[in-house]
Amino acid sequence: DAGITQSPRHKVTETGTPVTLRCHQTENHRYMYWYRQDPGHGLRLIHYSYGVKDTDKGEVSDGYSVSRSKTEDFLLTLESATSSQTSVYFCAIRGLEYNEQFFGPGTRLTVL
Amino acid sequence: GEDVEQSLFLSVREGDSSVINCTYTDSSSTYLYWYKQEPGAGLQLLTYIFSNMDMKQDQRLTVLLNKKDKHLSLRIADTQTGDSAIYFCAAGGGGATNKLIFGTGTLLAVQP
Repeated sequence: DAGITQSPRHKVTETGTPVTLRCHQTENHRYMYWYRQDPGHGLRLIHYSYGVKDTDKGEVSDGYSVSRSKTEDFLLTLESATSSQTSVYFCAIRGLEYNEQFFGPGTRLTVL
Repeated sequence: GEDVEQSLFLSVREGDSSVINCTYTDSSSTYLYWYKQEPGAGLQLLTYIFSNMDMKQDQRLTVLLNKKDKHLSLRIADTQTGDSAIYFCAAGGGGATNKLIFGTGTLLAVQP
């Protein structure tokens, strides 16, 4: 158990509203990642963080922003949600042995 | 860009062996990983192989790597109904950021 929690686990929102998803880890890992999972696409990297206040874009970052003000929390924000952002969002942390990534349980977001 | 491809579906009978295949394009991938995802759950790391290895065995799991052809396979011996899930291949593990590229996943259905 890598000690990763995500909140909320499910959310339904309307187009144009802001949404923030939270990832919390208890093991002081430096690297954290946000992915989205969609049928036919596997997992795609949205943003990642390599330390407090250090973040960078992944392959599908448009429409998303992130923040990391403390080691244990990595926030993903949809400034103005769109229906194309309906997805399952996973947070991950990087392990120390062989660069493996451990995943949280996911957040299912529906944008109506 | 980097790509990881998998077949979409595999059906086997309980007790048989399952072989799930994956091809990748990035020859600089340091590690290759196999993840399992059960319905409604996050991704669980099953095993990994370092790029300078040809084979790795871990109980019922055998990973084969053909680096020349950029081909990776996961063999599950004595497949059980509890092995029914989506299996993802991922490549990466190198560099400071350790970004992983995931395949689209293979749905393994085990018939009793």
